[in-house]
Amino acid sequence: QKEVEQNSGPLSVPEGAIASLNCTYSDRVSQSFFWYRQYSGKSPELIMSIYSNGDKEDGRFTAQLNKASQYVSLLIRDSQPSDSATYLCAVINFGNEKLTFGTGTRLTIIP
Amino acid sequence: SQTIHQWPATLVQPVGSPLSLECTVEGTSNPNLYWYRQAAGRGLQLLFYSVGIGQISSEVPQNLSASRPQDRQFILSSKKLLLSDSGFYLCAWAPPGRGYTIYFGEGSWLTVV
Repeated sequence: QKEVEQNSGPLSVPEGAIASLNCTYSDRVSQSFFWYRQYSGKSPELIMSIYSNGDKEDGRFTAQLNKASQYVSLLIRDSQPSDSATYLCAVINFGNEKLTFGTGTRLTIIP
Repeated sequence: SQTIHQWPATLVQPVGSPLSLECTVEGTSNPNLYWYRQAAGRGLQLLFYSVGIGQISSEVPQNLSASRPQDRQFILSSKKLLLSDSGFYLCAWAPPGRGYTIYFGEGSWLTVV
């Protein structure tokens, strides 16, 4: 089982709709969770971090964490064409200094 | 504010040639430093990480090596490149301590021919 799993997509969402991206992780001691956005040919950039169960909102983005189910998601409201990118889920536990990434979900926003 | 610089941005190297990628971080002290590789269409693979000068942890056995000669400098090297070394190499940093957010440099595209 992979440590961090994501559906590779592609996920196509109409402009203005809500895009929902999902991620599961296998290590129960994982403590911190991150979503990165990566445009084609560019390096990943941080969108959101979440540490506690529940929802965390930042503008059009909402991260959701459920540690019991080992599940983290990212919702993008009012999707824009500029949101088209690959979204990477990453987890880290306090036992080490390493961030483990999923393989990413490719999101396409259709105008 | 903190910034991270990585170079060169792109390079094409023949099989068997050496490699040196360099990364520096500004605006912070004693950062955690990382080298990741992203092969075409694949996820990010952690290659090396360092929590201090001269302290290097290797995640994947391979023909690559890393060094940290100064607090904010991280170097990725190879004596002889393989075709399979082609990919997008990313240097990253995080504040010292545990569980902090990692920030990436702009990346280096390596093509081994």
